[in-house]
Amino acid sequence: AQKVTQAQTEISVVEKEDVTLDCVYETRDTTYYLFWYKQPPSGELVFLIRRNSFDEQNEISGRYSWNFQKSTSSFNFTITASQVVDSAVYFCALSEAKDDKIIFGKGTRLHILP
Amino acid sequence: EAGVAQSPRYKIIEKRQSVAFWCNPISGHATLYWYQQILGQGPKLLIQFQNNGVVDDSQLPKDRFSAERLKGVDSTLKIQPAKLEDSAVYLCASSPGRKNEKLFFGSGTQLSVL
Repeated sequence: AQKVTQAQTEISVVEKEDVTLDCVYETRDTTYYLFWYKQPPSGELVFLIRRNSFDEQNEISGRYSWNFQKSTSSFNFTITASQVVDSAVYFCALSEAKDDKIIFGKGTRLHILP
Repeated sequence: EAGVAQSPRYKIIEKRQSVAFWCNPISGHATLYWYQQILGQGPKLLIQFQNNGVVDDSQLPKDRFSAERLKGVDSTLKIQPAKLEDSAVYLCASSPGRKNEKLFFGSGTQLSVL
């Protein structure tokens, strides 16, 4: 069965600090997809990234970067030089190729303090 | 491009009453999802439609929840009768229809059952 664990319930950092959000997943499939979504106070989940299981290259998008390691079943998300606007709940999610069901972790609430 | 529309934004009812939520997905999106997000948790899939057919409703409490997607466009989710534990945000999402693609979410309906 597929499972996503985000062990960090809540994190607070001061603006401009770097912060890493952890995500560990479980799946028996060899082909799967990993996602990160951001949920700001408005409530709408916003897509950040999708990564398939065959692509272990790390990805950087502006201040955001993702570290995918199959050996440890982790897909961690780092925000560099955090800003107050980054304050939100961040969800890691997993979808197995054999079906179309996206399973979400419990989320990490990130507070960026001015 | 218009996003996923949901209404109402908030709803307060007493237990044992009925309630309905409406969702209009992004135009042309074949797949529509209803998720339940209880406070402090990640979204949990209730039901998935592909056009107007149900793909997965394994986690829908069918004794009280029902959903339909007539004509393969907008959808309604109904709860009858509501229980206290149904208090949550109900999120609608859509995707173009290819498997394991990113989801586009609406802002959700926050339901409080008193």
